[in-house]
Amino acid sequence: GAVVSQHPSWVICKSGTSVKIECRSLDFQATTMFWYRQFPKQSLMLMATSNEGSKATYEQGVEKDKFLINHASLTLSTLTVTSAHPEDSSFYICSASRSDAEAFFGQGTRLTVV
Amino acid sequence: SQKIEQNSEALNIQEGKTATLTCNYTNYSPAYLQWYRQDPGRGPVFLLLIRENEKEKRKERLKVTFDTTLKQSLFHITASQPADSATYLCALDPTSNTGKLIFGQGTTLQVKP
Repeated sequence: GAVVSQHPSWVICKSGTSVKIECRSLDFQATTMFWYRQFPKQSLMLMATSNEGSKATYEQGVEKDKFLINHASLTLSTLTVTSAHPEDSSFYICSASRSDAEAFFGQGTRLTVV
Repeated sequence: SQKIEQNSEALNIQEGKTATLTCNYTNYSPAYLQWYRQDPGRGPVFLLLIRENEKEKRKERLKVTFDTTLKQSLFHITASQPADSATYLCALDPTSNTGKLIFGQGTTLQVKP
């Protein structure tokens, strides 16, 4: 099956610093990718839609200046958490879909802000 | 308001029994509904997709039904095994065929040997 690779799988950073998370679709081109956040014992919440070659679309309540998304190629989207704070600590997951609607998810990135 | 809800947070069953998980949605008209498995600390893995014109779909020990009148999907695992223990998520694409998914809160299944 198709593979979506996410890196890093975990990161610890100091409060106030920025962290970049990469999401790659390894065997298909993805004009659209999605970023989700998951807090402990909760479900995945969609944060934004990453569009290749254009601006990302953010869900209501998600700060676009804090969560910078770049989708510069058909196989790579990046999420940068800027000026991270402890409340940004969460599990971040990306996904990409082929035309048949099945979504492929990355392994997730556990972000801990100390 | 729009909602997608899975009726129980946790389900404990004995090995060999059938597990049945429920997903209900409100104020959506999805063209299809999907089920995913998520293990702790991992991203979700796709299991099954069922379209609005399909009443039932099967894959090995898994069976999904979709009732657009009741706005409900049922997910069954027959002959359950301890390895089936995981969190199961239902999801729908509110805009149809974009890959953008809205998830239920998940049901954690524990299969005891």
